[in-house]
Amino acid sequence: NAGVTQTPKFQVLKTGQSMTLQCAQDMNHNSMYWYRQDPGMGLRLIYYSASEGTTDKGEVPNGYNVSRLNKREFSLRLESAAPSQTSVYFCASSEVPPQSYGYTFGSGTRLTVV
Amino acid sequence: RKEVEQDPGPFNVPEGATVAFNCTYSNSASQSFFWYRQDCRKEPKLLMSVYSSGNEDGRFTAQLNRASQYISLLIRDSKLSDSATYLCVVNWYNFNKFYFGSGTKLNVKP
Repeated sequence: NAGVTQTPKFQVLKTGQSMTLQCAQDMNHNSMYWYRQDPGMGLRLIYYSASEGTTDKGEVPNGYNVSRLNKREFSLRLESAAPSQTSVYFCASSEVPPQSYGYTFGSGTRLTVV
Repeated sequence: RKEVEQDPGPFNVPEGATVAFNCTYSNSASQSFFWYRQDCRKEPKLLMSVYSSGNEDGRFTAQLNRASQYISLLIRDSKLSDSATYLCVVNWYNFNKFYFGSGTKLNVKP
């Protein structure tokens, strides 16, 4: 089915470990995004990529890096995980402009850092 | 102050009831408005955009009040399947930055 695919779905890390969250979309969307969702906080934008070859910081970029590998794939890397990064991470993509089309989200990655 | 604020609820209503949620936003220059639905432990899904003149999609009606800086969602004839968390989303000045409310939880009971 067309959509946004995230891997892994669940992950437990120890403090200081690193990992990469993968995201791929097959809808030929130009823009891709990484959000985190914490209880009572709403979704907060970590990084986004308006088009292939570009990335920009969102609201909460500290502790994360991203790579827009090609038009389909946008990965999120935690270099040295901290307990504060325990969260649910959603990747999303959109047509341009997203105001007209909204986002399509992946099913999320539940990350726990111990 | 949060950019987007919602009553977390929960709103507990019987099947067939009409229920309404509001969402307030802080930036008067906000340009685009949406309602998303999120089921428990699932991803958010676009429910509807909110247009200046208000808009309807079946049992759902969305309204925008720019003077008071809020948007609303009205659900008529509630179904059990409407039970979910409803997220308000607002965008301003940067087309790539959308601000999400923390959501209003709706429980529709038999």
